[in-house]
Parts: sequence; structure tokens; C-alpha cells
Amino acid sequence: DQQVKQNSPSLSVQEGRISILNCDYTNSMFDYFLWYKKYPAEGPTFLISISSIKDKNEDGRFTVFLNKSAKHLSLHIVPSQPGDSAVYFCAASGSGTYKYIFGTGTRLKVLA
Amino acid sequence: SQTIHQWPATLVQPVGSPLSLECTVEGTSNPNLYWYRQAAGRGLQLLFYSVGIGQISSEVPQNLSASRPQDRQFILSSKKLLLSDSGFYLCAEGGTVNQPQHFGDGTRLSIL
Repeated sequence: DQQVKQNSPSLSVQEGRISILNCDYTNSMFDYFLWYKKYPAEGPTFLISISSIKDKNEDGRFTVFLNKSAKHLSLHIVPSQPGDSAVYFCAASGSGTYKYIFGTGTRLKVLA
Repeated sequence: SQTIHQWPATLVQPVGSPLSLECTVEGTSNPNLYWYRQAAGRGLQLLFYSVGIGQISSEVPQNLSASRPQDRQFILSSKKLLLSDSGFYLCAEGGTVNQPQHFGDGTRLSIL
């Protein structure tokens, strides 16, 4: 049972436009959500997180939105840059646990 | 800030051979440590985590084992590798309440 789902395996966006990556989860006990970026042959790099007491968190060009009623989160990248081309993973964890459940990733390609 | 060392970066092993992957962490004490595997086209699967020396929790029954002989050392082992053990193995640390986990650069393991 996939508790965290990224239904789009890939996404292409023009440079300068907005990239929107989506993630859905099924476990209502999750209360901390993260996005990681991963380049080939490297480990994932932490990008941004949000706790369930918020519905938005912003860090520079990156904004994460959380819709608890829909069990959905999204990552917005504005403006998109070619260096943003990578695989993006969302992850979730529940209170009191150290364990993250990861989605299967979305490969973002930003076209120059 | 913490630094996570993993070695080797790539490894090719025959079926039935033993395995030992090492992860060491600098810049932090008493970290939570994790082993993940990313199989081709899939997300990150948590294999083991440890909250202290000698304390190992296994998430998935499998052919692998983990040990934590020192505070900042985490080892992933197998006595006899299977073809299905191929993948990208990642060590991570951190992940305390509302704090992200940080990853090493991983080991690409190919079983022949």
C-alpha cells in the first residue's frame, strides 16, 4: 500500500515559468511533510518542509502548499531554472516517529 | 553542519558474495541514522534505522542486516547477496521532531 503517491513520473516546464509538483497521501496521522531534490548519482537534498499546523511555507523560489482535507501537498517553483532539473521526492512522517514514507518521485525537466 | 560519508560510491558484486557498506557522520553527536534503498524506478524504501549504539530497527524483512558499533557509524551488511539486492543505498541522519533527515551521496550496488 503506497501511503505517499506522486502520480506524475515526469514534468517538463519552460524556463521562467512555474513548476508545480504534486503529492497525495492516505494516512491522516502524517503531520510533517518534506520535499527533496535529487540529482543522478547523488543523495537527495532537503528542499523545504511543512508541518500540518500550516497550509503554506515559502523559501525563496520554493513554496509548499498543504491541503489537509484533500490529503494533498504541492511544491511550486517560481521561476523555474534549468538547474532545477532533477527528481523531486515528497515524504511524510507521523508524530512521534522518525520514519519517513517517500513517494516514487517526479522527474522535472526545465527547458531553456 | 553535519557531513555524511558513504563508501564505496559504486560496487559490483557476484550473487552469493558478502556485503559491507559503511556510513559515518561528522558534525553531530548521537544522531538518528537510517539506511534506505532506491530500486530502479522506485521511491526510497526505509530498510533500517537506529536511535543509538547497538539499537537497530528493521523495517523490511530481507537479506540484509545493520549494525551501529559506534555513535556515528552505521553499517549495512549481507552474508549472501541476491540479485534483488541491486539498487542505490543511501545513509541518512537526523529526522528528529520536525527536523529533516540529511542524506549521504549513496552507494550504487550492482549484483551480477
